[in-house]
Amino acid sequence: DGGITQSPKYLFRKEGQNVTLSCEQNLNHDAMYWYRQDPGQGLRLIYYSQIVNDFQKGDIAEGYSVSREKKESFPLTVTSAQKNPTAFYLCASSGGQGFYEQYFGPGTRLTVT
Amino acid sequence: RKEVEQDPGPFNVPEGATVAFNCTYSNSASQSFFWYRQDCRKEPKLLMSVYSSGNEDGRFTAQLNRASQYISLLIRDSKLSDSATYLCVVNSVKGSQGNLIFGKGTKLSVKP
Repeated sequence: DGGITQSPKYLFRKEGQNVTLSCEQNLNHDAMYWYRQDPGQGLRLIYYSQIVNDFQKGDIAEGYSVSREKKESFPLTVTSAQKNPTAFYLCASSGGQGFYEQYFGPGTRLTVT
Repeated sequence: RKEVEQDPGPFNVPEGATVAFNCTYSNSASQSFFWYRQDCRKEPKLLMSVYSSGNEDGRFTAQLNRASQYISLLIRDSKLSDSATYLCVVNSVKGSQGNLIFGKGTKLSVKP
């Protein structure tokens, strides 16, 4: 089955710790995205990557970092510099090059205390 | 004007009702439009793309009015399973055009 997987589903961390969220896709999509969703809010773009070994900051990149070493994988690190890291994190992918529909993974709920 | 604006609802309707959601977008250069559905504590899922000529998929009809920068979604014969938040989505015209801008969503609750 083709799709996007994110792990873990729930993640708990202490303040001051970095944490890495996994996102893998087997849809052969070129583009991948990370969003954050807070209660009652819309999705906000953190980082995106149109191609392997290249990525761009989205609207709220501060306190986050990413890598895109493989087409299938786009991990997100939430660093201790992120002031309000507790949120629902969603990874998405799209075919790129004019194929704008994005398909989402199931998300990771991160709680930092 | 916000980039994508939706009535947050909630819309509470009985089963079998027809319900319409509206959405406005700010940038006239946007070219791609979508409706996504998001169930509580789940990821958004693509419901349908919106084409200039309007399009229908079963009980769902989407319309686009470029002159008014307005998108609509009509759901006929509502089912209990239609209860969800509906997100209006428009492609960005700054940065990468593949980027999408998501509205905050309109919540629908269908009651028996």
